[in-house]
Amino acid sequence: KQEVTQIPAALSVPEGENLVLNCSFTDSAIYNLQWFRQDPGKGLTSLLLIQSSQREQTSGRLNASLDKSSGRSTLYIAASQPGDSATYLCAAPLTGANNLFFGTGTRLTVIP
Amino acid sequence: EADIYQTPRYLVIGTGKKITLECSQTMGHDKMYWYQQDPGMELHLIHYSYGVNSTEKGDLSSESTVSRIRTEHFPLTLESARPSHTSQYLCASSESPERGDGYTFGSGTRLTVV
Repeated sequence: KQEVTQIPAALSVPEGENLVLNCSFTDSAIYNLQWFRQDPGKGLTSLLLIQSSQREQTSGRLNASLDKSSGRSTLYIAASQPGDSATYLCAAPLTGANNLFFGTGTRLTVIP
Repeated sequence: EADIYQTPRYLVIGTGKKITLECSQTMGHDKMYWYQQDPGMELHLIHYSYGVNSTEKGDLSSESTVSRIRTEHFPLTLESARPSHTSQYLCASSESPERGDGYTFGSGTRLTVV
């Protein structure tokens, strides 16, 4: 079974700061790694999808990297804004598995 | 616009009632999933389907049942709701995870059983 860990569990930063969220996984036999955003009481919004053969993906102020050999992924958020406040989840489906294994999430608060 | 829809968004219902949570997707994805999430907790897979007439139970035991009669529709039913079923239920779909396709999630149904 895949174990996915996210550090830190919670993060509070002033507006404008650059920040890094970390995700680690125990089994590197993954199809891809996906980063999601979840607002309180809402569903999941996909932010970035990195294929197992890729090293990074970028979308606007977001950049996600993947290092399969070390079982790590990072999500970099540039110039943070109060609207970025949410819980960020990473998920890594194992090859041959029927499930998307989620981390426990990082709850981000960006202070105006 | 291709998307995945869940209704109702919120539901408060009395103990013992039968309820069906709806999930529909317009992307033609074969694979669909139901996850359960308690507040502040992890998502747990409760049901999945790889296509029409295919349904399987997930990692977390659930008293709910599902059906997949049409590709686009994957409803979840609780025959007799109990307060322990109070939770958020999230539906997702993916075309082909084994080819690296990502998952798309609906907005969720927040269920409260009183």
